[in-house]
Amino acid sequence: AQSVTQLGSHVSVSEGALVLLRCNYSSSVPPYLFWYVQYPNQGLQLLLKYTSAATLVKGINGFEAEFKKSETSFHLTKPSAHMSDAAEYFCAVSDDYKLSFGAGTTVTVRA
Amino acid sequence: EAGVAQSPRYKIIEKRQSVAFWCNPISGHATLYWYQQILGQGPKLLIQFQNNGVVDDSQLPKDRFSAERLKGVDSTLKIQPAKLEDSAVYLCASSLVVAGGVNEQFFGPGTRLTVL
Repeated sequence: AQSVTQLGSHVSVSEGALVLLRCNYSSSVPPYLFWYVQYPNQGLQLLLKYTSAATLVKGINGFEAEFKKSETSFHLTKPSAHMSDAAEYFCAVSDDYKLSFGAGTTVTVRA
Repeated sequence: EAGVAQSPRYKIIEKRQSVAFWCNPISGHATLYWYQQILGQGPKLLIQFQNNGVVDDSQLPKDRFSAERLKGVDSTLKIQPAKLEDSAVYLCASSLVVAGGVNEQFFGPGTRLTVL
């Protein structure tokens, strides 16, 4: 079964600083990978997805992620954090149409 | 396009009581999922339907949880009787069926269940 591991349950950044959220996957076949964001009391919203086309994937709200097969990683970045980026972020892998999620990383943004 | 609808948004019950959650997926989405998200964890799939048939219910605690999607559209998830450890957010999601493609799931706002 495919799985993902998110490193760091909490990340705190200053407004305007780089946001880096780490995700490593375990898969025996080329995976489909996703990043979702969850704002308080809301459902999950898709930020971006990797589908074996380009290794650098651009998503909504200025986020992007790079697929690195050699490192089995799919880290999420944003060059400049905004207060509205405070949320919980989940990495997920698709296994036969079923999504398996990581434990999530909570991002807080300091003014 | 309307998103995935869920109700109620919040529910508080006592242990051993019963509770039901409702989900209406995005129009035209054949696949419907129920997830359980315990505080501090990622969502865990409980059951997956394609139209009105069950595709995967391997993680559903069948002694107390049940789900149905009778007409292949909306769905109900029931817990009977509830336990303290069932306190969680229950998320519904839907997707198109894309053969050999990427399964993008769209999530509803969830129902937050508190069992006292």
